[in-house]
Amino acid sequence: EVRLLESGGGSAQPGGSLRLSCTASGFTFSNYAMSWVRQAPGRGLEWVSAISGSAGSTYSTDSVRGRFTISRDNSKKTLYLQMNNLRAEDTAVYYCAKELEAHTDMVTYFDFWGQGTLVTVSS
Amino acid sequence: QSALTQPPSASGSPGQSVTISCTGSRSDVGGFNYVSWYQQHPGEAPKLLIFEVNQRPSGVPERFSGSKSGNTASLTVSGLQAEDEADYYCTSYAGRNNLIFGAGTKLTVL
Repeated sequence: EVRLLESGGGSAQPGGSLRLSCTASGFTFSNYAMSWVRQAPGRGLEWVSAISGSAGSTYSTDSVRGRFTISRDNSKKTLYLQMNNLRAEDTAVYYCAKELEAHTDMVTYFDFWGQGTLVTVSS
Repeated sequence: QSALTQPPSASGSPGQSVTISCTGSRSDVGGFNYVSWYQQHPGEAPKLLIFEVNQRPSGVPERFSGSKSGNTASLTVSGLQAEDEADYYCTSYAGRNNLIFGAGTKLTVL
């Protein structure tokens, strides 16, 4: 059974940092690209960042580029999101999500999602 | 890149069909067949309903179907059931490994 478990959410002040983790099980982690998707309170979904299975390629949406860094440790089956210089508009539930198809670097479809971790940025 | 345009709400009675639209541009929906739909119940993670415009993952009922014409994709829910009441989001690949979501549609089963 595929499982994704996020952790690391919490409160931070504007300009602060947080590191999210997502521990995976039930599939060959290194074969799949992974993404972070966020959802601000009462708002819609927004794709944030993605990383290829090998960790050789990373992609991010414009609003977080230069502030957030996605990474992964395939030996630990764990995905990370280092969030620096946080802003109030980064407040959201952050989901990690598994790409549907193996061995592709394209960001297309997510067949499994974690339950999310809440990040609150406020002074 | 702007979010894809979806109607904020849709509704139908049990047993009826409802169609939700998702309008983008030639740079996303119209330019690629990488369109998907997600269902999200309150307090839950999204669930993949449709991928590649009209493909259903295993376990998704045939009542859910997808299509695309030009820059607009559509999700049709046939034989509405009470449990279909949820938020629905479309997504499209937008080139250079960028993915955009629609703003979401709240489906109410009357």
